[in-house]
Amino acid sequence: DQQVKQNSPSLSVQEGRISILNCDYTNSMFDYFLWYKKYPAEGPTFLISISSIKDKNEDGRFTVFLNKSAKHLSLHIVPSQPGDSAVYFCAASVRGQNFVFGPGTRLSVLP
Amino acid sequence: EAGVVQSPRYKIIEKKQPVAFWCNPISGHNTLYWYLQNLGQGPELLIRYENEEAVDDSQLPKDRFSAERLKGVDSTLKIQPAELGDSAVYLCASTATNTGELFFGEGSRLTVL
Repeated sequence: DQQVKQNSPSLSVQEGRISILNCDYTNSMFDYFLWYKKYPAEGPTFLISISSIKDKNEDGRFTVFLNKSAKHLSLHIVPSQPGDSAVYFCAASVRGQNFVFGPGTRLSVLP
Repeated sequence: EAGVVQSPRYKIIEKKQPVAFWCNPISGHNTLYWYLQNLGQGPELLIRYENEEAVDDSQLPKDRFSAERLKGVDSTLKIQPAELGDSAVYLCASTATNTGELFFGEGSRLTVL
């Protein structure tokens, strides 16, 4: 049973537009969420996090929104750049331990 | 500051052979994780260490997998004997206690023939 789901395996967006990546979770105990970006042949790199006490966190071009009642979070990238093309993973945890990762969404930003 | 270092980056072995992966976490990071990543999937937790203690190894297939973290710093993950289905990327990650963010190494890609 997948506790963290990313239902879109891939997403293509035009450069300069907004990219929206979605993530759903089933475990209501999750209280801390991370987004990671992964390039081929590299390890995942941290992008942005959000605690369940917040519903939004912003860092430059990246914003994460959390809807606890819907058990849903999303990552917005504005504006999208070709260098953002990568696989994005959503991860969830209870008290920052034992992160559970989603299957990832491959983002392609087209010039 | 050096990141999480893993070796080897790539390993090709025949089935039934043993293999070992090594991880050096970021200095001062008490918590160390080993994750397994299959192609097209997200990382899956194998084991979590707090200092030298394995506090969660419930997902580690103990019949063939073993891990250790001597002196609470470097860690080794071993598979013996390897099976075809073990072909994957083995990721090591570390974090300072209660900061939340995981720092990953580049991973060790295993191919079992």
